[in-house]
Amino acid sequence: QSALTQPPSASGSPGQSVTISCAGTSSDVGGYNYVSWYRHVPGKAPQLLIYEVNKRPSGVPDRFSGSKSGNTASLTVSGLQTDDEAYYYCSSYGGRYNFYVFGTGTQITVL
Amino acid sequence: ELQESGPAVVEPSGTLSLTCSVSGGSISGPSWWSWLRQSPGKGLEWIADVYHDETTRNYNPSHKSRVNVVIEKSTNQFFLRLTSVTAADTAVYHCARGRATYFDVWGQGALVTVSS
Repeated sequence: QSALTQPPSASGSPGQSVTISCAGTSSDVGGYNYVSWYRHVPGKAPQLLIYEVNKRPSGVPDRFSGSKSGNTASLTVSGLQTDDEAYYYCSSYGGRYNFYVFGTGTQITVL
Repeated sequence: ELQESGPAVVEPSGTLSLTCSVSGGSISGPSWWSWLRQSPGKGLEWIADVYHDETTRNYNPSHKSRVNVVIEKSTNQFFLRLTSVTAADTAVYHCARGRATYFDVWGQGALVTVSS
């Protein structure tokens, strides 16, 4: 069960956009439209941002958007705010035997 | 809301036992009750889950022989039991509510250190 690959860090100035990639395989990201994204501030509960590739739960602002092409998913955060500083993790359903695979995590820094 | 609780230190070869208390809703509703962890310097890892009526349990193949997850409806709690622990099991353990393909509510996590 290999982790999905994310860049370790990303940054942008307030108001800018940043996009995080999440590279998997045809057995997980590419095989299912079940990619989700989570925001995690250490010491706090992780928060669901996106599910099923591009759906936002109630209460998540539309500044957060998700997409997928082939075996790679992406999360875009538009209109960066200082509160967006956190770790962001992707996840994909990996089938009957792997179930859930997570990404390596990306730390977003707002400059 | 979910809240983890349990011993912060477990001895090597011992059993790690954690409780997740569910508030603001019934544990009997159609959901998967899940355990995940994050080891120091590493990403998130799904461990196991149990369906609300306990008809189905799923396990990460890496931990299947050592893990059990059970529900106690009377107290609105569910539990993780991980046996034969080693230093590699030192991690922040999160409980979460699963919706089959994603996790929509998480606890803030409980740090468990395996040490003598």
